[in-house]
Order: sequence, then C-alpha cells, then structure tokens
Amino acid sequence: KQEVTQIPAALSVPEGENLVLNCSFTDSAIYNLQWFRQDPGKGLTSLLLIQSSQREQTSGRLNASLDKSSGRSTLYIAASQPGDSATYLCAVKGSGTYKYIFGTGTRLKVLA
Amino acid sequence: DVKVTQSSRYLVKRTGEKVFLECVQDMDHENMFWYRQDPGLGLRLIYFSYDVKMKEKGDIPEGYSVSREKKERFSLILESASTNQTSMYLCASSFPTGGYEQYFGPGTRLTVT
Repeated sequence: KQEVTQIPAALSVPEGENLVLNCSFTDSAIYNLQWFRQDPGKGLTSLLLIQSSQREQTSGRLNASLDKSSGRSTLYIAASQPGDSATYLCAVKGSGTYKYIFGTGTRLKVLA
Repeated sequence: DVKVTQSSRYLVKRTGEKVFLECVQDMDHENMFWYRQDPGLGLRLIYFSYDVKMKEKGDIPEGYSVSREKKERFSLILESASTNQTSMYLCASSFPTGGYEQYFGPGTRLTVT
C-alpha cells in the first residue's frame, strides 16, 4: 500500500533563503507526482506535475525533481518570499489506478 | 484556465439533515473526486467518478453517496449528517490527456451541529 510522507511538518525560514521541501513514497510504481500549494482555508493550487518518465519540472522560482528508484521528490524554492508562506503538499498517482495518495504537507513560513 | 467551482464556501447543517455538496468543472474532464481534509489526517478520498454515471468508493465512503448525471457536475450527498462529518470538503477533476493533473475547487467548510 502506497504511503506518502512529508518531512518536516513545519518550516520557518528568513526571506531570500533557498529551500527544499521533501516528499517520500514507498511504492516506486507511480504514474506521476504532483506538488500543490494550499493557503489557509482554501483549496489546493497545482504547482508542478512530474510524470514518471521525467526527472524534473520547473516553473519560475520552483523546481521539482523526481527519483523513482529511491522513492523521493523534492520541491526547491529559490529566493523565498513572504508570499510563499503556505502549506505544500505532494500527491502520487499509481499506475493502473485513478487514485492519488497525498502527504500531510509541510507548513512553510517565510519571515520578512 | 481550468475552473472547478463548489456550490458553497461555508455551510452549517443540523444533525440528521440531508446535505448536498455540488462541484462543477468547465473543462470536460472525465475524472472527478471528492475528498475531505481534516487536521492531522490529510486528504482522504471519499468517492471518485471516471465517467458519467460511473462511480467508485474511495477510502472513506461510509455515510456518503455521490451522483454524476452530467459530465461537468459531481455531487456529494450526506444522507444523514453527523457531527463527525464536520470537515473541509474538496472537489477535484483531472483528465488523461493532461497527464492526469488534478485541479481543485475552493473547498466547502461544512459544520454539522
């Protein structure tokens, strides 16, 4: 059974710092992995989607990498800003299933 | 831009009431999902649908049912609301040609008193 873990659960960094968020999964037979951002009381906003055949995806200051063999993905945020403060979740979709398994998220606070 | 909308942002209902939560997407997506999100438990899948009138149970379907009569609309029904169904409910959609990228609605915060 697929399990997705995000460590740490919470992180505080000063503005301008580059940071890495981690996502681990137990079953490497995934179809894709998606990173989301969630602001308090709101829905999830898709940030990056990495297909199983890809190694990384980039959007602006965000870069997500995928290493299926080790069951890991990282989300790199460059030059963090207070507006980046949110909870970041990763989700994996298995091959041959419609279902996504979510991590419990990392709550990020960027201090001005 | 893909848009997923949910009928209410906040809802307060009494124990025993029948509750309808509606979700509409405007991009002709085949797949639609209902999740609930609770502190410490993350997102849990209640039901999903991969086509009109097709549905499958997720991980926590007890106390819920769903309806998908049209491709763009997926409704979650709480047959007899209970206080343990107080939660944030999130709807999502996805489609194969988009690599199954999921798009979420804004969520409905349901309180059952």
